[in-house]
Amino acid sequence: GQNIDQPTEMTATEGAIVQINCTYQTSGFNGLFWYQQHAGEAPTFLSYNVLDGLEEKGRFSSFLSRSKGYSYLLLKELQMKDSASYLCAVRDSNYQLIWGAGTKLIIKP
Amino acid sequence: ETGVTQTPRHLVMGMTNKKSLKCEQHLGHNAMYWYKQSAKKPLELMFVYNFKEQTENNSVPSRFSPECPNSSHLFLHLHTLQPEDSALYLCASSQDEGSGGSEQFFGPGTRLTVL
Repeated sequence: GQNIDQPTEMTATEGAIVQINCTYQTSGFNGLFWYQQHAGEAPTFLSYNVLDGLEEKGRFSSFLSRSKGYSYLLLKELQMKDSASYLCAVRDSNYQLIWGAGTKLIIKP
Repeated sequence: ETGVTQTPRHLVMGMTNKKSLKCEQHLGHNAMYWYKQSAKKPLELMFVYNFKEQTENNSVPSRFSPECPNSSHLFLHLHTLQPEDSALYLCASSQDEGSGGSEQFFGPGTRLTVL
């Protein structure tokens, strides 16, 4: 079966750095997405990786290793507004998005 | 209006009611999706429409019936639902279903409670 694993919850301190991991087992691979979802709101797109390596976008970076079935989202200079759930999703061979259950990130002052 | 809109934002219905959820996208996209989001569970894809044609039905019970009259509008008709159907129902759109890097844009969702 297809599976996306991410930690259920993480806590970090304002101003610090946090890494949210995602491992996947899917039938085929056509890209990996990270989304941010604040409580009661719609998920919003953060990043897309299809080749191995690091994609940097401001305070957020996303890394992919296809051989290891592994990705991480790195958030730097954490702000209180970064408290949200972070969803990892992989596009499989049928171009369907397979979603993880999300990681709830709690930022403390 | 911009992006993806959904109405109503909240809905409470009895098990014998019939109601409909509406989604509209103002992005010129060709693919639209219905998802169910339950607490602490992955997003569950329910239906996909690509260029107004249904391309995916992930074993969704017949009490959920989608309708896509044009590429900008998507409906989810509900009838004789069960309490376990209570969840957040999200609509999304993308350029089309097959584009590799095409991200999905989500609406704010309808919070459904079935009594």
